[in-house]
Amino acid sequence: NAGVTQTPKFHILKIGQSMTLQCTQDMNHNYMYWYRQDPGMGLKLIYYSVGAGITDKGEVPNGYNVSRSTTEDFPLRLELAAPSQTSVYFCASSSGEKLFFGSGTQLSVL
Amino acid sequence: AQKVTQAQTEISVVEKEDVTLDCVYETRDTTYYLFWYKQPPSGELVFLIRRNSFDEQNEISGRYSWNFQKSTSSFNFTITASQVVDSAVYFCALSEVDSSYKLIFGSGTRLLVRP
Repeated sequence: NAGVTQTPKFHILKIGQSMTLQCTQDMNHNYMYWYRQDPGMGLKLIYYSVGAGITDKGEVPNGYNVSRSTTEDFPLRLELAAPSQTSVYFCASSSGEKLFFGSGTQLSVL
Repeated sequence: AQKVTQAQTEISVVEKEDVTLDCVYETRDTTYYLFWYKQPPSGELVFLIRRNSFDEQNEISGRYSWNFQKSTSSFNFTITASQVVDSAVYFCALSEVDSSYKLIFGSGTRLLVRP
């Protein structure tokens, strides 16, 4: 079982560029989340979704956008990347019991 | 507002020592869940335990045990006879029972177990 799959694993982005981090889950979970983890820090919630077509902001949504057109996919879009967005990004899904995390995307904005 | 505090930034122990990781939480809800996750050096997040607010029984799983005390809003994690493989960052997290089940994480405690 694949669980939660994130791509890419690593990426270097130039300031001002845009990109989409992909996340897909095969557990038919309604709930999906994007977190970022800065060095030496805990995880902070960027956006979340409670089902296809429904998304909402988390603690740190500025500079990001999401969409949820299917149950399986929850891509995170970075527009006009800034150095402050250098972080490790984790996607997660849940049925309500616990969160299952992807392996993370390490993103550097230079 | 919900908040999780892990005051211990880093702990270093020698193998076979017991170690307790502290977690204090704040919430206005009477129904909530508490979690511990482990993040080894490889970076993935590994689920360890979930407790609901109605169950204050301590739990033991092998060398791991958890002490949940609502009176002090704490959910502490003890590793008995630590091993080098226990070296990781450990996160405590809180989830309120609303429509989203999103987790609020503490800042983590880095545990280093020396041989």
